[in-house]
Amino acid sequence: AQKVTQAQTEISVVEKEDVTLDCVYETRDTTYYLFWYKQPPSGELVFLIRRNSFDEQNEISGRYSWNFQKSTSSFNFTITASQVVDSAVYFCALKGGGKLIFGQGTTLQVKP
Amino acid sequence: GAGVSQSPSNKVTEKGKDVELRCDPISGHTALYWYRQSLGQGLEFLIYFQGNSAPDKSGLPSDRFSAERTGGSVSTLTIQRTQQEDSAVYLCASSLVGGQRTDTQYFGPGTRLTVL
Repeated sequence: AQKVTQAQTEISVVEKEDVTLDCVYETRDTTYYLFWYKQPPSGELVFLIRRNSFDEQNEISGRYSWNFQKSTSSFNFTITASQVVDSAVYFCALKGGGKLIFGQGTTLQVKP
Repeated sequence: GAGVSQSPSNKVTEKGKDVELRCDPISGHTALYWYRQSLGQGLEFLIYFQGNSAPDKSGLPSDRFSAERTGGSVSTLTIQRTQQEDSAVYLCASSLVGGQRTDTQYFGPGTRLTVL
């Protein structure tokens, strides 16, 4: 079975703190794809990153970075020097066949 | 360019009525997906269309739900005899390719359905 687990339901930090959102996945596929999406209060899901299973290089984009570890089936997301605008629900997802399988989401609140 | 658009943005209906939700994918995208987001169930896949292939309907929760995609572009999700448990945000997404080949799915703003 394919499954995505985001164990952190809610995280609250103060602006400028670093924060890591955890994502653990299960799949029997040898080739698979992982995604992170952001859902701000406006409601629209915004694509952040896509990784494939054969590329374990970590990625950095500005204040965002992603740590992909096949050995632990994890694809964690770190925001450095968080800002109030980062407040949103963040979803990790696994591509299974045609569809995305989402975790339950982590609500991040960044306080000024 | 224009993103995925959905209409209406909000729909309030009475239990037992039929509703139709519309999705306009990004121009040129061959794959189209419907998902549902509700408080108790999170984000759930409903159905996806890839080109001229038969749609993957494996996520539709009951036979009251159906969807079609006309001319490889616009899609309509129909819910017949709506129930209160159908209340949710219905999200549409599209991607350049689909199936086993992966491309990124881009989402529309959603339709919030409330069944009274």
